Amino acid sequence: KAGVTQTPRYLIKTRGQQVTLSCSPISGHRSVSWYQQTPGQGLQFLFEYFSETQRNKGNFPGRFSGRQFSNSRSEMNVSTLELGDSALYLCASSLDPGLGYTFGSGTRLTVV
Amino acid sequence: KNEVEQSPQNLTAQEGEFITINCSYSVGISALHWLQQHPGGGIVSLFMLSSGKKKHGRLIATINIQEKHSSLHITASHPRDSAVYICAVERGADGLTFGKGTHLIIQP
Repeated sequence: KAGVTQTPRYLIKTRGQQVTLSCSPISGHRSVSWYQQTPGQGLQFLFEYFSETQRNKGNFPGRFSGRQFSNSRSEMNVSTLELGDSALYLCASSLDPGLGYTFGSGTRLTVV
Repeated sequence: KNEVEQSPQNLTAQEGEFITINCSYSVGISALHWLQQHPGGGIVSLFMLSSGKKKHGRLIATINIQEKHSSLHITASHPRDSAVYICAVERGADGLTFGKGTHLIIQP
Protein backbone atom coordinates (compact mmCIF):
# COMPACT_ATOMS: atom_id res chain seq x y z
CA LYS A 1 0.00 0.00 0.00
CA ALA A 2 1.61 3.27 -1.11
CA GLY A 3 2.12 5.90 1.57
CA VAL A 4 1.59 9.63 1.37
CA THR A 5 3.68 11.05 -1.46
CA GLN A 6 4.93 14.61 -1.49
CA THR A 7 6.66 16.21 -4.44
CA PRO A 8 9.13 17.66 -4.89
CA ARG A 9 11.33 16.63 -1.93
CA TYR A 10 13.54 19.69 -2.18
CA LEU A 11 13.00 23.08 -3.72
CA ILE A 12 14.99 26.31 -3.91
CA LYS A 13 13.15 29.47 -4.86
CA THR A 14 13.93 33.16 -4.97
CA ARG A 15 12.17 35.81 -2.89
CA GLY A 16 9.07 37.08 -4.64
CA GLN A 17 8.48 33.90 -6.64
CA GLN A 18 5.61 31.53 -6.07
CA VAL A 19 5.71 27.80 -5.44
CA THR A 20 3.30 24.88 -5.67
CA LEU A 21 3.74 21.73 -3.60
CA SER A 22 1.88 18.50 -4.21
CA CYS A 23 0.57 15.80 -1.89
CA SER A 24 -0.92 12.48 -2.97
CA PRO A 25 -2.73 10.79 -0.07
CA ILE A 26 -3.10 7.12 0.64
CA SER A 27 -5.67 5.61 -1.69
CA GLY A 28 -9.13 6.01 -0.18
CA HIS A 29 -8.14 8.78 2.21
CA ARG A 30 -10.34 11.82 1.75
CA SER A 31 -8.73 14.20 4.24
CA VAL A 32 -5.45 16.00 3.56
CA SER A 33 -3.89 18.48 5.95
CA TRP A 34 -0.79 20.64 5.55
CA TYR A 35 1.76 21.75 8.11
CA GLN A 36 4.79 24.03 8.20
CA GLN A 37 7.81 23.17 10.34
CA THR A 38 10.51 25.71 11.13
CA PRO A 39 13.26 25.64 13.79
CA GLY A 40 11.77 28.68 15.49
CA GLN A 41 8.04 27.96 15.44
CA GLY A 42 8.04 24.18 15.28
CA LEU A 43 5.11 22.49 13.57
CA GLN A 44 2.12 24.64 12.70
CA PHE A 45 -1.17 23.76 11.06
CA LEU A 46 -1.78 25.38 7.67
CA PHE A 47 -5.11 23.97 6.43
CA GLU A 48 -7.16 20.84 6.02
CA TYR A 49 -9.19 19.64 3.06
CA PHE A 50 -11.89 17.01 3.08
CA SER A 51 -13.69 15.93 -0.08
CA GLU A 52 -12.43 19.00 -1.97
CA THR A 53 -13.61 21.46 0.69
CA GLN A 54 -11.35 23.44 2.99
CA ARG A 55 -12.53 22.57 6.49
CA ASN A 56 -10.22 24.79 8.45
CA LYS A 57 -7.28 27.13 8.07
CA GLY A 58 -4.47 27.98 10.46
CA ASN A 59 -3.15 31.41 11.27
CA PHE A 60 -1.18 32.07 8.08
CA PRO A 61 -1.38 34.99 5.64
CA GLY A 62 -3.42 34.78 2.47
CA ARG A 63 -0.25 34.11 0.47
CA PHE A 64 -0.69 30.52 1.58
CA SER A 65 -3.48 28.73 -0.24
CA GLY A 66 -4.41 25.24 -1.19
CA ARG A 67 -6.88 23.06 -2.97
CA GLN A 68 -7.94 19.45 -3.23
CA PHE A 69 -8.90 17.64 -6.38
CA SER A 70 -11.62 15.04 -6.92
CA ASN A 71 -9.02 12.24 -6.59
CA SER A 72 -8.09 13.66 -3.15
CA ARG A 73 -4.67 14.85 -4.29
CA SER A 74 -3.90 18.23 -2.82
CA GLU A 75 -1.70 21.15 -3.70
CA MET A 76 -0.59 24.10 -1.65
CA ASN A 77 0.62 27.33 -3.13
CA VAL A 78 2.70 30.07 -1.60
CA SER A 79 2.86 33.34 -3.52
CA THR A 80 5.32 36.21 -3.15
CA LEU A 81 7.80 34.06 -1.26
CA GLU A 82 9.63 35.52 1.73
CA LEU A 83 12.84 34.30 3.36
CA GLY A 84 10.79 33.27 6.39
CA ASP A 85 8.82 30.81 4.27
CA SER A 86 11.87 28.54 4.22
CA ALA A 87 10.64 25.44 6.01
CA LEU A 88 9.75 21.79 5.82
CA TYR A 89 6.20 21.47 4.52
CA LEU A 90 4.45 18.29 5.53
CA CYS A 91 1.14 16.89 4.49
CA ALA A 92 -0.84 14.17 6.19
CA SER A 93 -3.78 12.13 5.01
CA SER A 94 -6.58 10.47 6.88
CA LEU A 95 -9.47 8.21 5.97
CA ASP A 96 -11.67 10.58 7.93
CA PRO A 97 -10.80 13.46 10.26
CA GLY A 98 -10.36 12.05 13.73
CA LEU A 99 -9.17 8.62 12.62
CA GLY A 100 -5.44 9.29 12.81
CA TYR A 101 -2.99 10.60 10.27
CA THR A 102 -0.29 9.28 7.98
CA PHE A 103 2.41 11.80 7.16
CA GLY A 104 4.41 12.28 4.00
CA SER A 105 8.18 12.80 4.01
CA GLY A 106 7.79 16.50 3.39
CA THR A 107 9.04 19.09 0.93
CA ARG A 108 11.98 21.16 2.11
CA LEU A 109 11.62 24.66 0.67
CA THR A 110 14.52 27.09 0.76
CA VAL A 111 13.89 30.71 -0.20
CA VAL A 112 16.98 32.69 -1.13
CA LYS B 1 1.77 30.16 27.25
CA ASN B 2 1.71 27.42 24.63
CA GLU B 3 -1.41 25.30 24.47
CA VAL B 4 0.76 22.16 24.43
CA GLU B 5 3.78 21.86 26.72
CA GLN B 6 6.24 18.99 26.56
CA SER B 7 8.94 17.99 29.00
CA PRO B 8 11.77 17.45 28.98
CA GLN B 9 12.95 19.35 25.90
CA ASN B 10 16.08 17.22 25.68
CA LEU B 11 16.78 13.79 27.15
CA THR B 12 19.90 11.66 26.92
CA ALA B 13 19.78 8.17 28.39
CA GLN B 14 21.66 4.90 28.30
CA GLU B 15 20.48 1.91 26.32
CA GLY B 16 18.04 -0.16 28.32
CA GLU B 17 16.69 2.69 30.45
CA PHE B 18 12.98 3.36 30.93
CA ILE B 19 12.05 6.64 29.25
CA THR B 20 9.14 8.95 30.08
CA ILE B 21 8.13 12.00 28.06
CA ASN B 22 5.34 14.21 29.34
CA CYS B 23 2.76 16.37 27.60
CA SER B 24 0.36 18.84 29.21
CA TYR B 25 -2.31 20.79 27.38
CA SER B 26 -4.60 23.61 28.37
CA VAL B 27 -7.65 23.19 26.12
CA GLY B 28 -10.41 20.66 25.68
CA ILE B 29 -9.44 18.10 23.07
CA SER B 30 -11.01 15.35 21.02
CA ALA B 31 -7.77 13.36 20.74
CA LEU B 32 -4.06 13.47 21.52
CA HIS B 33 -1.36 12.20 19.18
CA TRP B 34 2.20 11.08 19.80
CA LEU B 35 4.47 11.43 16.78
CA GLN B 36 8.07 10.42 16.11
CA GLN B 37 10.35 12.39 13.81
CA HIS B 38 13.74 11.14 12.69
CA PRO B 39 16.50 13.29 11.14
CA GLY B 40 15.49 14.03 7.56
CA GLY B 41 12.01 15.06 8.61
CA GLY B 42 9.68 12.11 8.13
CA ILE B 43 7.00 11.85 10.81
CA VAL B 44 5.51 8.60 12.02
CA SER B 45 2.28 8.53 13.97
CA LEU B 46 2.81 6.39 17.09
CA PHE B 47 -0.46 6.71 18.98
CA MET B 48 -3.79 8.46 18.87
CA LEU B 49 -5.52 8.59 22.28
CA SER B 50 -8.78 9.90 23.58
CA SER B 51 -8.74 8.05 26.90
CA GLY B 52 -6.86 5.44 28.90
CA LYS B 53 -3.75 3.69 27.71
CA LYS B 54 -2.36 2.14 24.54
CA LYS B 55 0.63 -0.15 24.03
CA HIS B 56 2.58 -1.00 20.91
CA GLY B 57 5.69 -3.08 21.35
CA ARG B 58 8.00 -1.25 23.78
CA LEU B 59 5.97 1.95 23.59
CA ILE B 60 3.17 2.84 25.99
CA ALA B 61 1.04 5.98 25.91
CA THR B 62 -1.35 7.12 28.62
CA ILE B 63 -3.72 10.04 28.92
CA ASN B 64 -5.57 11.60 31.86
CA ILE B 65 -8.33 13.75 30.41
CA GLN B 66 -9.26 15.34 33.76
CA GLU B 67 -5.69 16.43 34.44
CA LYS B 68 -5.04 17.32 30.77
CA HIS B 69 -1.86 15.27 30.76
CA SER B 70 -0.36 12.48 28.69
CA SER B 71 2.83 10.46 28.95
CA LEU B 72 4.80 8.43 26.45
CA HIS B 73 6.93 5.64 27.89
CA ILE B 74 9.64 3.64 26.18
CA THR B 75 10.73 0.43 27.87
CA ALA B 76 14.14 -1.16 27.28
CA SER B 77 15.26 1.84 25.22
CA HIS B 78 17.53 1.28 22.23
CA PRO B 79 19.70 3.65 20.17
CA ARG B 80 17.25 3.32 17.28
CA ASP B 81 14.66 5.05 19.52
CA SER B 82 16.72 8.25 19.20
CA ALA B 83 14.41 10.78 17.56
CA VAL B 84 12.25 13.79 18.29
CA TYR B 85 8.96 12.87 19.96
CA ILE B 86 6.11 15.31 19.42
CA CYS B 87 2.82 15.58 21.24
CA ALA B 88 -0.10 17.05 19.31
CA VAL B 89 -3.69 17.73 20.34
CA GLU B 90 -6.74 17.68 18.13
CA ARG B 91 -9.81 19.84 18.72
CA GLY B 92 -12.54 18.83 16.35
CA ALA B 93 -11.95 20.40 12.96
CA ASP B 94 -9.32 22.85 14.23
CA GLY B 95 -6.37 20.82 12.99
CA LEU B 96 -3.48 19.67 15.14
CA THR B 97 -1.68 21.88 17.67
CA PHE B 98 1.83 20.67 18.39
CA GLY B 99 4.23 20.74 21.28
CA LYS B 100 7.83 21.79 20.67
CA GLY B 101 9.06 18.20 20.81
CA THR B 102 11.43 16.20 22.99
CA HIS B 103 14.85 15.42 21.54
CA LEU B 104 15.73 11.92 22.77
CA ILE B 105 19.20 10.41 22.44
CA ILE B 106 19.81 6.85 23.56
CA GLN B 107 23.49 6.06 23.95
CA PRO B 108 24.77 2.49 23.51
